[in-house]
Amino acid sequence: QSALTQPASVSGSPGQSITISCTGTSSDVGSYNLVSWYQQHPGKAPKLMIYEVSKRPSGVSNRFSGSKSGNTASLTISGLQAEDEADYYCCSYAGSSYVFGTGTKVTVL
Amino acid sequence: QVQLQESGPGLVKPSQTLSLTCTVSGGSISSGGYYWSWIRQHPGKGLEWIGYIYYSGSTYYNPSLKSRVTISVDTSKNQFSLKLSSVTAADTAVYYCARAPIMVYAIGASNWFDPWGQGTLVTVSS
Repeated sequence: QSALTQPASVSGSPGQSITISCTGTSSDVGSYNLVSWYQQHPGKAPKLMIYEVSKRPSGVSNRFSGSKSGNTASLTISGLQAEDEADYYCCSYAGSSYVFGTGTKVTVL
Repeated sequence: QVQLQESGPGLVKPSQTLSLTCTVSGGSISSGGYYWSWIRQHPGKGLEWIGYIYYSGSTYYNPSLKSRVTISVDTSKNQFSLKLSSVTAADTAVYYCARAPIMVYAIGASNWFDPWGQGTLVTVSS
């Protein structure tokens, strides 16, 4: 399977909202509500931010939200903060396997 | 809370077998309810799911790696392991172990990976 497509970079000023897209196919994102999002700071392990498209794990800020339409999932970060600067990866179940996104670098201006 | 820690050689020669172990603390693998996963990240690139195992020994592998991967579990040591055979430079990556919950209505599937170990860099080079 090919990696899910994400924009290479997204930037925003503190307090603004940004949205990261994650485009797959009818074999992965489009077929399953098993899309998750991970935040990764440099040199650190990924951290779960969103699961099952739009659910937030305990302890994750409600500034993070997820959605899906067709073959494209999205992660929105509202009220952007300096600590949100990191790489973000989407992930989708693809029927007996998982496919991750290409990754998006979020820069807080 | 549950913590995972990878261990193993940081350098492997081409054509040899990469072997890593993940030690789980703060929870028991044999309690069930979770798959125990291996995921890798090539330098400066994205993530790739390798596979996972249930405490019973049931395994699920990425089809693209299946012919070279073996994941096993040792519940007595609360550890699970990865073996990747016939490695090449393309297998150079940071290898992570992670936990994934089972889904009772979708055997073999999971809805997230969390927590993750800190990762260990494995370089394939002569």
